[in-house]
Amino acid sequence: SQKIEQNSEALNIQEGKTATLTCNYTNYSPAYLQWYRQDPGRGPVFLLLIRENEKEKRKERLKVTFDTTLKQSLFHITASQPADSATYLCALDPGGGKLIFGQGTELSVKP
Amino acid sequence: EAGVAQSPRYKIIEKRQSVAFWCNPISGHATLYWYQQILGQGPKLLIQFQNNGVVDDSQLPKDRFSAERLKGVDSTLKIQPAKLEDSAVYLCASSLGVGWRGDQETQYFGPGTRLLVL
Repeated sequence: SQKIEQNSEALNIQEGKTATLTCNYTNYSPAYLQWYRQDPGRGPVFLLLIRENEKEKRKERLKVTFDTTLKQSLFHITASQPADSATYLCALDPGGGKLIFGQGTELSVKP
Repeated sequence: EAGVAQSPRYKIIEKRQSVAFWCNPISGHATLYWYQQILGQGPKLLIQFQNNGVVDDSQLPKDRFSAERLKGVDSTLKIQPAKLEDSAVYLCASSLGVGWRGDQETQYFGPGTRLLVL
């Protein structure tokens, strides 16, 4: 069956460290994968999109990798700050523009 | 640029009652989505519209849920009758449209409607 899974446990890290979040999927062949941030009581906000022919994408302190052989994407936040604390969602498009979301990983950055 | 608007923000009803949610997408966005997000889970797509036509409603429980997007702009999602398991946040999102490539595939979400069924 088709699945998309993220780190199930919350991630707690110290300010200034790099946070690494994992997204694994099975039985999909997505053309691209997206990462969203969701704060409590708010809708998800788009962060980055990476295509199947791209290995890595960067935006400021954010970096996403996409390994279609391993069927995995990694999301990194370097020099993390308490303001980065939120739930991070990965999502893929199985076709037609709709998104299938993972369950999200809650990140907490302590000062 | 105004974002996706949703109302109401919160709703409490008793089981077997009906409820309706409203969404106004970003101006010019052809595609509109309704998602259900249960606490601790990621959003799950219920229905996708392209202009005023349904593209995908395979996960919409059609015995109790209905949605429409008249004139290809605003949309309403209705639940009738509601069940306890419908308690969730209902998110509306919009994007430029299917067939666009690049970052136009990005979806923009509204703040959601938090529904509690007692």
